[in-house]
Order: sequence, then C-alpha cells, then structure tokens
Amino acid sequence: EDQVTQSPEALRLQEGESSSLNCSYTVSGLRGLFWYRQDPGKGPEFLFTLYSAGEEKEKERLKATLTKKESFLHITAPKPEDSATYLCAVTQGGSEKLVFGKGTKLTVNP
Amino acid sequence: DAGVTQSPTHLIKTRGQQVTLRCSPISGHKSVSWYQQVLGQGPQFIFQYYEKEERGRGNFPDRFSARQFPNYSSELNVNALLLGDSALYLCASSLQGIGYTFGSGTRLTVV
Repeated sequence: EDQVTQSPEALRLQEGESSSLNCSYTVSGLRGLFWYRQDPGKGPEFLFTLYSAGEEKEKERLKATLTKKESFLHITAPKPEDSATYLCAVTQGGSEKLVFGKGTKLTVNP
Repeated sequence: DAGVTQSPTHLIKTRGQQVTLRCSPISGHKSVSWYQQVLGQGPQFIFQYYEKEERGRGNFPDRFSARQFPNYSSELNVNALLLGDSALYLCASSLQGIGYTFGSGTRLTVV
C-alpha cells in the first residue's frame, strides 16, 4: 500500500535555529511530491511541487529537495510566523489523488 | 482572483442526519477533489471529479456521495451521519493536475 511518512511528528525550534523536516514515501511511479503548510482550522496552503529526484525549490526561508525515496523541507533561520503544520503529499501515475502524511507540527519560539 | 470557496464554514448536525457541503473552484479549474481531515491526521481523499465525471473515489462508505455541476462547482453529501464523521472537509481544485489549491474547509461537528 502506498505510504507517506513524515518525521518528526512535532518539532520545537528557537527563532533562528535551522532544521529539516523529512517525508519518506513508498509509491510506484511517483508523479509529484507536494509540500503544504497548514495553520490551525485552515486549509492547506501550497508551498512546492517536486517532480524528479535531484530537484530543489526555494521560497523565502524554505527549501525543498527530493530523492528517489524521500523529500526534505529545510527551514533556514525560522521565525515565529513559520509555526504551522507542514504536510507532505504524493501523486502517482495517472491519478490526481493526493496521499498525505500525518504532518509535522513546527513551533518556533521567539 | 477568488480562490477555492467552501460553504458553510462551520456546521453542527445530529447523528443520523444528512449534510451537504459546497465548493466553488478557482475560475478555469475543471477538477475538484474532496478530502476529510480528522484532528491530528493528514487529509484523506474522498472523491475527485473532472468535467462532471467521477475520476476517483477513496475508501469511504456509500453514505458519502458527490457531484459536479456544469459550472464546475461541487457538492459533497453525507447521509446517516455518525459521530466519526466529525472532521474538517476540504475541497481542492486543480488545472489538470498541475497544482492543487485548497479551500479553507467546512468544519462538521456531529453530536
């Protein structure tokens, strides 16, 4: 069965303390890997899509990378406003179905 | 440009009742998907519609149904509500699978 596993489940950082979130996946025929940010009670907000191993994308303090089995979301010098749950999802083959992990809840303390 | 809009934002229903949730996609997006997110979990796929046809269905009982209208808006219906149906219901629209934009969701509470 296709599976997406995110680690850690929760992460507490001090402002300015860089770290990485992990998303490992077991799907055949990866079509795309997606990162979303979700604030409490809100819908997921799109961050990045990665399509092939070796691909990297950046946005402000966030950088996403992709290998054949996992993706990393690197957060450089985070600020309190980066506190949120970060979700990873994949699509495969001809399907548009997103398969999500459980997310990593990030808290950045001032 | 309006994003994905969902209504209502919050809803409280009694066990056994029926509920209809609504979604308007981003203008030009012909694909609409529905997801259920329970607290502490990632969203779970329920349905996908493209050009008014069902393209995918997740592992949900037949109490869940959906449809898409000619203007690409969509409704999700849930019959015979159970306490376990309490969740955030999310709608996402996409342009042929290139990017998925979510609405803010409908928070359904079943009592």
